[in-house]
Amino acid sequence: KAGVTQTPRYLIKTRGQQVTLSCSPISGHRSVSWYQQTPGQGLQFLFEYFSETQRNKGNFPGRFSGRQFSNSRSEMNVSTLELGDSALYLCASSLVGEGAFFGQGTRLTVV
Amino acid sequence: KQEVTQIPAALSVPEGENLVLNCSFTDSAIYNLQWFRQDPGKGLTSLLLIQSSQREQTSGRLNASLDKSSGRSTLYIAASQPGDSATYLCAASLYYGSSNTGKLIFGQGTTLQVKP
Repeated sequence: KAGVTQTPRYLIKTRGQQVTLSCSPISGHRSVSWYQQTPGQGLQFLFEYFSETQRNKGNFPGRFSGRQFSNSRSEMNVSTLELGDSALYLCASSLVGEGAFFGQGTRLTVV
Repeated sequence: KQEVTQIPAALSVPEGENLVLNCSFTDSAIYNLQWFRQDPGKGLTSLLLIQSSQREQTSGRLNASLDKSSGRSTLYIAASQPGDSATYLCAASLYYGSSNTGKLIFGQGTTLQVKP
């Protein structure tokens, strides 16, 4: 079956702009989580959506937001981009008892 | 607050060696423990998942163990190969009610280099 798909794979944005990242989970998976990975901080949890509801939220500013649609696809939005938002953004879908499966990530560069 | 630590941060071994990567966590109330592999600039590939009720899982040359009472998990790689060179991450999944959540707490990873 198809894995987790993230689009786009690469993005270059200017400070102050906003960006939307997309994640399509594995078919049948209702939980989608987002993570930010940077060399200094490692992998940090952003938020989790389950059946269109945010179930968990990490310690990130309100500029980071997300949503999940009825087909379980999820989007993540970052507004007013800062240089420090440059990172690899990873999406994972999970199912009880099967663990988490990650997409290839979106590499965001803010200039 | 759950914290996950991995030791060592980096490891370089000659091809053919058996090796052990360590992962420790502070809160034993985990739902499961998962090991991942990450190649540079790529996403995470799931290697092994150990449910909280299990002690170990095996897949090919990989064996992962879980000891909740001591807050430790180990990943054993037998007969290492250059293709095993990557960063290995462990992550603890937390409870949400009686089930797990998608929230994973990651260690900082162990970067492994296997020399031919």
